Amino acid sequence: NAGVMQNPRHLVRRRGQEARLRCSPMKGHSHVYWYRQLPEEGLKFMVYLQKENIIDESGMPKERFSAEFPKEGPSILRIQQVVRGDSAAYFCASSPRGGANYGYTFGSGTRLTVV
Amino acid sequence: KQEVTQIPAALSVPEGENLVLNCSFTDSAIYNLQWFRQDPGKGLTSLLLIQSSQREQTSGRLNASLDKSSGRSTLYIAASQPGDSATYLCAVRPDAGGTSYGKLTFGQGTILTVHP
Repeated sequence: NAGVMQNPRHLVRRRGQEARLRCSPMKGHSHVYWYRQLPEEGLKFMVYLQKENIIDESGMPKERFSAEFPKEGPSILRIQQVVRGDSAAYFCASSPRGGANYGYTFGSGTRLTVV
Repeated sequence: KQEVTQIPAALSVPEGENLVLNCSFTDSAIYNLQWFRQDPGKGLTSLLLIQSSQREQTSGRLNASLDKSSGRSTLYIAASQPGDSATYLCAVRPDAGGTSYGKLTFGQGTILTVHP
């Protein structure tokens, strides 16, 4: 029973390129959450998705960032025209359902470095 | 706006000691609180989940308590071991309608070092 799978584990992009981060939730989980951990900062919520729906994107930067969770395949966090300030660890979590009484299972993260 | 604070920021103890990590939150309208462990360069491992109606949860050498009305939680680690060295994070989930229940608010973490 694989856990939450994120890839790639490490990603290096030059300024101005696009970064695509993938997250496959645990089997049976249909709710996905993305968090960002900036250097020397805590984890901050970005977006909450259900299959084919964005439920809460209140933590997403207004520009350059987008997320999707298609009917088939992994959830994708996409960052266009990356800048140095996007360098961070990006974590995905999943839960079997929505509703607050379910705990999260986190993936190992993708560490993005913008050079 | 919910704010979560963890004290101390760092803790170094000799092996075998019992220790307490503290977490406080400003808005008591939470649905649950979760303690995580994060090893350097790794993801988060869930340790304990306490629902707002519960007072404590136990798993092995770990015991977490919750006092929702005062906005506090503690994580108690008994007989600490070098393998317990990690960053410990607490996170709260809002007791709110709509979709905000999907959003955890994390503390900054306590960096624990247990030396032999």
